[in-house]
Amino acid sequence: DAGVIQSPRHEVTEMGQEVTLRCKPISGHNSLFWYRQTMMRGLELLIYFNNNVPIDDSGMPEDRFSAKMPNASFSTLKIQPSEPRDSAVYFCASSLNQGYNEQFFGPGTRLTVL
Amino acid sequence: AQTVTQSQPEMSVQEAETVTLSCTYDTSENNYYLFWYKQPPSRQMILVIRQEAYKQQNATENRFSVNFQKAAKSFSLKISDSQLGDTAMYFCAFRGGSSNTGKLIFGQGTTLQVKP
Repeated sequence: DAGVIQSPRHEVTEMGQEVTLRCKPISGHNSLFWYRQTMMRGLELLIYFNNNVPIDDSGMPEDRFSAKMPNASFSTLKIQPSEPRDSAVYFCASSLNQGYNEQFFGPGTRLTVL
Repeated sequence: AQTVTQSQPEMSVQEAETVTLSCTYDTSENNYYLFWYKQPPSRQMILVIRQEAYKQQNATENRFSVNFQKAAKSFSLKISDSQLGDTAMYFCAFRGGSSNTGKLIFGQGTTLQVKP
């Protein structure tokens, strides 16, 4: 398996622009997680899905952030409009709901908002 | 609410020596899972080792081992014969046994520097 795939790996945009981050989980996994990592706040869980359904979005910073999972093999995290304080590394992770349930992480997307 | 605490923001160790990273957690559950993840400068999150709470035997993966003290709610990571490639941030994580979604609670992380 190719592992969790994220795109783009790097994104530089200007304040006010819309940003869309993409994630393809490992085939067969039924939970998907979006994290944000910054020096100041560490690793934060933004939202997670179980069987394509959003379970907990309490970590989403504000209404400018939205996430979707239209099917089991694809998810997006959208920021509209983007702000400089959104600059961070965004990780997607997936897991299978049995046993250890370890999460497998993607390589992350480094977002810079100017 | 479940919490995970890593009280050592930064640590350093000489190459070939042994280092222990601390982690404590709080939960009212009896069955759960614990993990250590490594994040090297490449930023890729990699699972290092895992432990099921109902197993008394401490998990071991090559040079990595844990000291799991269930009563004390402590889950420390020992790295033996440290190598330069062990330089990374290490995260301790908890998953409740009653969770059916795989959600993990992460600690704040410990940055480990292995010195030559």
